[in-house]
Amino acid sequence: QKEVEQNSGPLSVPEGAIASLNCTYSDRGSQSFFWYRQYSGKSPELIMSIYSNGDKEDGRFTAQLNKASQYVSLLIRDSQPSDSATYLCAALSGGYQKVTFGTGTKLQVIP
Amino acid sequence: EAQVTQNPRYLITVTGKKLTVTCSQNMNHEYMSWYRQDPGLGLRQIYYSMNVEVTDKGDVPEGYKVSRKEKRNFPLILESPSPNQTSLYFCASSMTVNTEAFFGQGTRLTVV
Repeated sequence: QKEVEQNSGPLSVPEGAIASLNCTYSDRGSQSFFWYRQYSGKSPELIMSIYSNGDKEDGRFTAQLNKASQYVSLLIRDSQPSDSATYLCAALSGGYQKVTFGTGTKLQVIP
Repeated sequence: EAQVTQNPRYLITVTGKKLTVTCSQNMNHEYMSWYRQDPGLGLRQIYYSMNVEVTDKGDVPEGYKVSRKEKRNFPLILESPSPNQTSLYFCASSMTVNTEAFFGQGTRLTVV
């Protein structure tokens, strides 16, 4: 079982819709979680980090964390074609030394 | 400009010929790490460093070496590259392991 799991997609949503990206993790000791966006041929870049249960909002992006269910999600409101990319979920290990990435979900926003 | 710089960006080499991929950051970050990215497997951590002279294995360290003699530099060494090390490699740095990671531009390595 992979430590951080994501559906590889592609997830296709129409422009203006809400895109919902999901991630589960196996290490119950994980305390910190990150969402990175990676455009094709480019390096990953951070979108959101979340450390506490609940929701965290930043502009059109909302990260949600449920530690009891070991589940992290990213909502993108009013999706734009420029949001089309691969979204990587990452979790900091319970030992606070390693960051493990999921395989990523490819998002396609259809104009 | 704050950045992580990797060199080279592209490299084609032959099996067994030692190579080094350099990584340098100018943000005074303590935590640095190397990842490889392969289709369907995502980003996998090779080695990480919590600070100068402190390094440890990630999830896929076999066939790789690293060193951290200075805070800003974290080179990745392949002593005897093999074709299964053909991959896209990223160096990343962050203030601590728990903060935003900044990635280099990537190094596409092909071992023939």
